[in-house]
Amino acid sequence: AQTVTQSQPEMSVQEAETVTLSCTYDTSESNYYLFWYKQPPSRQMILVIRQEAYKQQNATENRFSVNFQKAAKSFSLKISDSQLGDTAMYFCAFRSYFGNEKLTFGTGTRLTIIP
Amino acid sequence: ETGVTQSPTHLIKTRGQQVTLRCSSQSGHNTVSWYQQALGQGPQFIFQYYREEENGRGNFPPRFSGLQFPNYSSELNVNALELDDSALYLCASSLTTSGLATDTQYFGPGTRLTVL
Repeated sequence: AQTVTQSQPEMSVQEAETVTLSCTYDTSESNYYLFWYKQPPSRQMILVIRQEAYKQQNATENRFSVNFQKAAKSFSLKISDSQLGDTAMYFCAFRSYFGNEKLTFGTGTRLTIIP
Repeated sequence: ETGVTQSPTHLIKTRGQQVTLRCSSQSGHNTVSWYQQALGQGPQFIFQYYREEENGRGNFPPRFSGLQFPNYSSELNVNALELDDSALYLCASSLTTSGLATDTQYFGPGTRLTVL
């Protein structure tokens, strides 16, 4: 069974600074997907970024980028030029390439952007 | 494009009662997954529905059951409610084509269930 670990329960950073959230995972599979989801106080889980394990290139979405280290089973999220609207819980999630689409989530990191 | 919707937003029940939660998938999606998110935790997979059949189940007892309808909407039913069932219940929809799932699930706003 896959496991996802987020070792930073809480983080805070000044507005406009850069912050990196950590995620490690454990799997015996070679092909899979990794995701970062954001959950603001409104509770809606919003997709931030996705990474396909068979792609070497790190995914980027505007101010959000990942550092995907497949051998180390590490998948960190970097938020550049942080904004107040980035304040939320951030969850790292794993999905197998085959089979049903069950997502396995970490326990989350609560990120606070300080004005 | 219509996003994933869930009803009701909040629900309060007493121990032993039964509850039904509803989810409408995003337009163009045919697969619905349900997750339970306890306070301070990440979501836990309950089960998934595709073509009106259960297509995978997490570690939840049989009193958690579901349905999917021809319009791809779905229900989650929980019988004999226990205090530990208090949680946010999230529904996510996605597209499965020829048995192969696309990679991304899109979530609804959730239903907050409180069991007293």
